[in-house]
Amino acid sequence: QQQVKQSPQSLIVQKGGISIINCAYENTAFDYFPWYQQFPGKGPALLIAIRPDVSEKKEGRFTISFNKSAKQFSLHIMDSQPGDSATYFCAASKGSSNTGKLIFGQGTTLQVKP
Amino acid sequence: DTAVSQTPKYLVTQMGNDKSIKCEQNLGHDTMYWYKQDSKKFLKIMFSYNNKELIINETVPNRFSPKSPDKAHLNLHINSLELGDSAVYFCASSPRTGEGETQYFGPGTRLLVL
Repeated sequence: QQQVKQSPQSLIVQKGGISIINCAYENTAFDYFPWYQQFPGKGPALLIAIRPDVSEKKEGRFTISFNKSAKQFSLHIMDSQPGDSATYFCAASKGSSNTGKLIFGQGTTLQVKP
Repeated sequence: DTAVSQTPKYLVTQMGNDKSIKCEQNLGHDTMYWYKQDSKKFLKIMFSYNNKELIINETVPNRFSPKSPDKAHLNLHINSLELGDSAVYFCASSPRTGEGETQYFGPGTRLLVL
């Protein structure tokens, strides 16, 4: 059972464009939603995270939009750069579990063309 | 000065063999994790330890046995390796156990079972 569904699987964007990656979750007990970025041959690294008490969080060119009623959240990368080419994972965890267990989406491979 | 390190980086072995992967973190974190990333890049938690105590034990074959000699080290031993064990295994750590803690990933160990 895939509790966090991510789309698209792959994305090609021109330099300067906006990259948008979407995630949907099923479990309303989730209350922490991070995005991780993974470059080829490297481990994932935290990019940005949000909690459901806010609808948007922005850090530089990266923005998370959160829709609690729809159980969806998305990552927007403004002014996409070739250096942003990587695989992006959304994730979710439950505060009540107190274990820090992250449920990851399937990943989106982003290619930004110069 | 690597924060989370894993050895070996690559591991090629025959079916039926037993192998170990070592992980060390110098961040002073209390919690460590093992993840498996399959050929489709799907990331799944396997185990988590907090101060040498097992706190997450997902549905993983009992051929996989984690060991934490101290809170800075978490090793993974795999018995009777199977073709399906081929994957990238990531170690990660976080300051504490709990939802909302940033997880810091190692560079991964690429395991190929022939």
